[in-house]
Amino acid sequence: QVQLVQSGAEVKKPGASVKVSCEASGYTFTSYDINWVRQATGQGLEWMGYMKPHNGETGYAQNFQGRVTMTRDISTNTAYMYLSSLRSDDTAIYYCARKQFGEGMDVWGQGTTVTISS
Amino acid sequence: DIQMTQSPSSLSASVGDRVTITCRASQGISNYLAWYQQKPGKAPKLLIHVASTLQSGVPSRFSGSGSGTYFTLTISSLQPEDVATYYCQRYDRTPLTFGGGTKVQIK
Repeated sequence: QVQLVQSGAEVKKPGASVKVSCEASGYTFTSYDINWVRQATGQGLEWMGYMKPHNGETGYAQNFQGRVTMTRDISTNTAYMYLSSLRSDDTAIYYCARKQFGEGMDVWGQGTTVTISS
Repeated sequence: DIQMTQSPSSLSASVGDRVTITCRASQGISNYLAWYQQKPGKAPKLLIHVASTLQSGVPSRFSGSGSGTYFTLTISSLQPEDVATYYCQRYDRTPLTFGGGTKVQIK
């Protein structure tokens, strides 16, 4: 079945970096954009950016410019989100989700909890 | 950037009630508007896209309408399993901003 499976929880110190993976299966990986969305505890959804697997094109929310990088490995159908210079307010659940042009985000990963703590 | 404003932020209604959530965009977004349902501890689930198209498998008691700057999500007969937080999202262009969410509870 169509699914996105994310990597496990991470605990990082302030100033460190984190890399979260999102492995796609059950569909053609290059046919859908991968978006990343995060959610702090008790808060709403925050869009971080997108990556187009077929050509690697990316677009990032202004709040994350300079700190986030989204990449992919087509050979393993895996997308990656790399966030650097971590702060305590980066503590959140990070989701990947697929999206086609003109449609909503129809398949989501299970989420990866990233905790920033000294 | 375009802002997405949802109202109310929370509501409590009885089983069987008709519930309406509104989402306003600060500028026109045509009909590039999606609605998501998120239950506690779960990833969001797509309910509606292009403002009024029901995603496959979503119960028909959910409906969406609107275009431009004003959109609504309606649950025609609220069920216990509809307890969740609902989010709208623009996707006409980046940033793909979400509304602040509406928490729906049973009275």
